[in-house]
Amino acid sequence: EVQLVESGGDLVQPGGSLRLSCAASGFTVSDSYMSWVRQAPGKGLQWVSVIYSDGTTYFADSVKGRFTISRDNSKNTLYLQMNSLRPEDAAVYYCARGVGSTVVVPVVTGMITTNVYYYYYYMDVWGKGTTVTVSS
Amino acid sequence: EIVLTQSPGTLSLSPGERATLSCWASQSVSSNLAWYQQKPGQAPRLLIYGASSRATGIPDRFSGSGSGTDFTLTISRLEPEDFAVYYCQQYGSSLLTFGGGTKVEIK
Repeated sequence: EVQLVESGGDLVQPGGSLRLSCAASGFTVSDSYMSWVRQAPGKGLQWVSVIYSDGTTYFADSVKGRFTISRDNSKNTLYLQMNSLRPEDAAVYYCARGVGSTVVVPVVTGMITTNVYYYYYYMDVWGKGTTVTVSS
Repeated sequence: EIVLTQSPGTLSLSPGERATLSCWASQSVSSNLAWYQQKPGQAPRLLIYGASSRATGIPDRFSGSGSGTDFTLTISRLEPEDFAVYYCQQYGSSLLTFGGGTKVEIK
């Protein structure tokens, strides 16, 4: 059975750090597009970060420079390291598996050809979430 | 960032009625749009991807349509378990975004 189980949520003071984990079973994390999505109390869904199968990572502007995403292939686990936490980071954090494709477009500039990668994915499997509270 | 606007914010209907939910994108996302259902205290569940393809196990009373900037999720006949919040999500750019959600409540 394909499953994701998050852990690591806790109460932390503003400015503090926390590491969330997402243990996967039934599929291989390193072969997948893996995302973190959060939901503040009573609010909608907000995409936070992604790590693609080739290791490329992206972050929402609101967390860029403070959060990092990584994976441990030997443990088939995804992580989200959250530093410099703010009250507005308080939310339920979900990890999710992405399903999609990568399109490579060669861009020629003079004599140089550069490959630009476009990633398209939706999320088909979600964990139950872990709660992060940021408060003094 | 591509902004998704969902309408209406709340839809009050009775079981057996038809529900029509809309999602507009601030720029074209082609058919790179998904719909999710979320019930209180639960994680989102994928309903539709590619604007119109049903995910595995999703009943055929759920259907999606649209492309470019205008999208629709239709629930042909509401069942009691369909009362929930529905979100659209675009994946036409590397920075994913969700709509604000439509709550379908029992009238």
